Amino acid sequence: ETGVTQTPRHLVMGMTNKKSLKCEQHLGHNAMYWYKQSAKKPLELMFVYNFKEQTENNSVPSRFSPECPNSSHLFLHLHTLQPEDSALYLCASSSSENTEAFFGQGTRLTVV
Amino acid sequence: GQNIDQPTEMTATEGAIVQINCTYQTSGFNGLFWYQQHAGEAPTFLSYNVLDGLEEKGRFSSFLSRSKGYSYLLLKELQMKDSASYLCAVMDSNYQLIWGAGTKLIIKP
Repeated sequence: ETGVTQTPRHLVMGMTNKKSLKCEQHLGHNAMYWYKQSAKKPLELMFVYNFKEQTENNSVPSRFSPECPNSSHLFLHLHTLQPEDSALYLCASSSSENTEAFFGQGTRLTVV
Repeated sequence: GQNIDQPTEMTATEGAIVQINCTYQTSGFNGLFWYQQHAGEAPTFLSYNVLDGLEEKGRFSSFLSRSKGYSYLLLKELQMKDSASYLCAVMDSNYQLIWGAGTKLIIKP
């Protein structure tokens, strides 16, 4: 248990569906992140929020839309995804942007 | 471009020692991290090096040479539970983490 909780753990969705991934941290951290992890590839940073403000958007397609209502919660809204978006989506948090990150267990997403 | 290289897969025997290497080319350097990730689980933090030298933490040690752009993770007295992927990540001058693809370590009895 790392203090970062992600739901759901598994998600199968069609290309026309809309779904949301949720992340919650109870560590009092100020920075939160979304990562994409594909098999045998490096972790890809998608979004960074620092004190609820988005500080990084690594050229992520608009079909991924993040939301950070407060420093403890982070969402990733998904719509009209493609099969190549199937991956493990990891949420992480850290006390600041230059300290070690604590990861959630991820959401295994399959787009059919 | 920025790049982190580490072997894709390694195999070692229970009770033995294994060294996992990581080389990097990044724009600036603000530290190097090692994470462990068991299949289907979250990556968990193992170590952080920002100065040259060896950091020891129980059975695990991490070494850094900034001039060579090189680090290794040393695992001693290997146990079956050490079977996992080991991720190397470097924090660049913008405090962004650049990740390697991970090394899958297989421990055999």
